[in-house]
Amino acid sequence: NAGVTQTPKFRILKIGQSMTLQCAQDMNHNYMYWYRQDPGMGLKLIYYSVGAGITDKGEVPNGYNVSRSTTEDFPLRLELAAPSQTSVYFCASWSSTDTQYFGPGTRLTVL
Amino acid sequence: ILNVEQSPQSLHVQEGDSTNFTCSFPSSNFYALHWYRWETAKSPEALFVMTLNGDEKKKGRISATLNTKEGYSYLYIKGSQPEDSATYLCAFPNAGGTSYGKLTFGQGTILTVHP
Repeated sequence: NAGVTQTPKFRILKIGQSMTLQCAQDMNHNYMYWYRQDPGMGLKLIYYSVGAGITDKGEVPNGYNVSRSTTEDFPLRLELAAPSQTSVYFCASWSSTDTQYFGPGTRLTVL
Repeated sequence: ILNVEQSPQSLHVQEGDSTNFTCSFPSSNFYALHWYRWETAKSPEALFVMTLNGDEKKKGRISATLNTKEGYSYLYIKGSQPEDSATYLCAFPNAGGTSYGKLTFGQGTILTVHP
């Protein structure tokens, strides 16, 4: 099992550009999550999904979109990148009977 | 919005000291409590999932206890080592309703162990 994988590991964007952060898990987990970690702060939930075709907003969804067409994949889309979106992004998955498993993170800088 | 609080916010100890910190959570609708260890520049790593009142779990020098009636969990580290330096997070899954599946994380306790 690869667990939770994320790509890319690093990315630099210009203001106004768009990109998709990829996340995949091979554990057949229903629940998937996107978090951001800002300096000195904990984890803030952006969006989450309780199954294929179902997504819901977290605490800080503005400026992001998600989709969940399959159980395995949960991409996060930034449409118009802003400097405030400079952060480390973590994807996670959960089976409800275990802990959350986190991906290695994507470090995004918007200049 | 669930309130999950951790204290202290940060902790500095000497190598060999034992230490503990607290996670407070809503005592109603308890489902489970998660503890994670988060090293700098890495992703959070699961330590424990605690589900029963009075639960005590152990992993090497790290152990955790749970009191669901009063809404707190303690994490203990015996004989701290520099490699224990990390942020320790607790998380509380929503037990039901439309938010089921959503975990609320505490802000974490940053532990620094000095050689």
